[in-house]
Amino acid sequence: GAVVSQHPSWVICKSGTSVKIECRSLDFQATTMFWYRQFPKKSLMLMATSNEGSKATYEQGVEKDKFLINHASLTLSTLTVTSAHPEDSSFYICSARGLLRATLNGYTFGSGTRLTVV
Amino acid sequence: QKEVEQNSGPLSVPEGAIASLNCTYSDRGSQSFFWYRQYSGKSPELIMFIYSNGDKEDGRFTAQLNKASQYVSLLIRDSQPSDSATYLCAVNKGQAGTALIFGKGTTLSVSS
Repeated sequence: GAVVSQHPSWVICKSGTSVKIECRSLDFQATTMFWYRQFPKKSLMLMATSNEGSKATYEQGVEKDKFLINHASLTLSTLTVTSAHPEDSSFYICSARGLLRATLNGYTFGSGTRLTVV
Repeated sequence: QKEVEQNSGPLSVPEGAIASLNCTYSDRGSQSFFWYRQYSGKSPELIMFIYSNGDKEDGRFTAQLNKASQYVSLLIRDSQPSDSATYLCAVNKGQAGTALIFGKGTTLSVSS
C-alpha cells in the first residue's frame, strides 16, 4: 500500500530557530502534498497545498514566509518553520496524493510531527 | 458557517451498542466524503469514504450520504472499547482530488 514517511516524529527547538519537517512517499509518486497542523483538541487545519515543481498555495492566514514548503521531487516535500515561536507548537501532518491505483482514496497521511518550541 | 460541522461530543455508548456520528457540510460542490479515526497524538486513519448518495457498508461501519441535505453520517455497529477515539469527517474542498477539509471531530467513548 501507499506509505508516507514523515520525520521527525517529534522535535523540540528553541524560540527563533528553524525546523524542517520531511515527508517522503516511499512507494508512489506524490504529485500533490497537503500540509496540515493540529492544535490540542482541535481539528486538522489545512495550511497549504503544493504540487511537485510548483509554488505552494497557502490558505488564508498562513504566513508563506514563515512556513516554507518545498516540493521539488515527486517523492519528497518539506515544511520549514522559520523563526519558530511557542505559538507555532503544534502537530504537523502531511498528506500526499498521487497516481497510485492501489490506494483506497488517493490520500495518504504521514505519521505527524509534534513540534514544541521553548 | 463553518465548512464541515460535527458535534464534538463526547458521545458515550456501551459496548455492543450502535454509535451514530453525524456531519454536515456547506459546499454543495463537494464530491467526496471521508471518515477518519484519530487516536490521541496519532495521525488520522481512514475508515471509509463515500461518493454517492445512500449507504455504504464495510464490516461494522456504515457511511450514509445525503447530498440534498448536505449530510453524511457514520454508524458503528457492535461498538468496542477499542473504537474509543475521535472521529473526523472530511470533505473535498471542491472537486475530487483537492484538499480535504476536516470537521472538529466527535469524541467517542465506548464503555465495557
